[in-house]
Amino acid sequence: GESVGLHLPTLSVQEGDNSIINCAYSNSASDYFIWYKQESGKGPQFIIDIRSNMDKRQGQRVTVLLNKTVKHLSLQIAATQPGDSAVYFCADAPFLGKLIFGQGTTLQVKP
Amino acid sequence: SQTIHQWPATLVQPVGSPLSLECTVEGTSNPNLYWYRQAAGRGLQLLFYSVGIGQISSEVPQNLSASRPQDRQFILSSKKLLLSDSGFYLCAWGGLGETQYFGPGTRLLVL
Repeated sequence: GESVGLHLPTLSVQEGDNSIINCAYSNSASDYFIWYKQESGKGPQFIIDIRSNMDKRQGQRVTVLLNKTVKHLSLQIAATQPGDSAVYFCADAPFLGKLIFGQGTTLQVKP
Repeated sequence: SQTIHQWPATLVQPVGSPLSLECTVEGTSNPNLYWYRQAAGRGLQLLFYSVGIGQISSEVPQNLSASRPQDRQFILSSKKLLLSDSGFYLCAWGGLGETQYFGPGTRLLVL
């Protein structure tokens, strides 16, 4: 079946550095991709999304890159701050389909 | 703006007892509603979703059921809890193939 996975379960970065969190998906019919941030004990919080007709989208300090050729999605966080420490999930969905979530990457920011 | 509420926030229940978790959404009409479960350190598993009052789709055969008695109310229930029902239960609203917004979650511990 289809699955969405993140390459690394844990990523540790220095405060002020840029972070890159990666995700691979398997469904070539996926049309919509989204990143969530989940802090301990809380519900996932929307960060940024992208549709398959785009390959890059920028938000405030975050950028999502989509490579449909290799079915790869990444989240880049600029100037990582201690408040960015959390678990990050990617998810994808086909057109009008259900979101399929990856297992999550824990981002640890070292002061 | 839209807000989503879940209660209770935390629940400790004995094996074999019943369960009722409630989710309500404000600020939107006829939303798609979802119940997810998240095991410790894992991704999100879709349990049920609803596109309207009385319309429930079950994703995973299990010891749980869902109901939608009102447009903006979604309830997750069980007649007899199992140890394996422990987890973090998340309600969300949003479109299929689109952004979903999550509530704060209910942490359930079955002893």
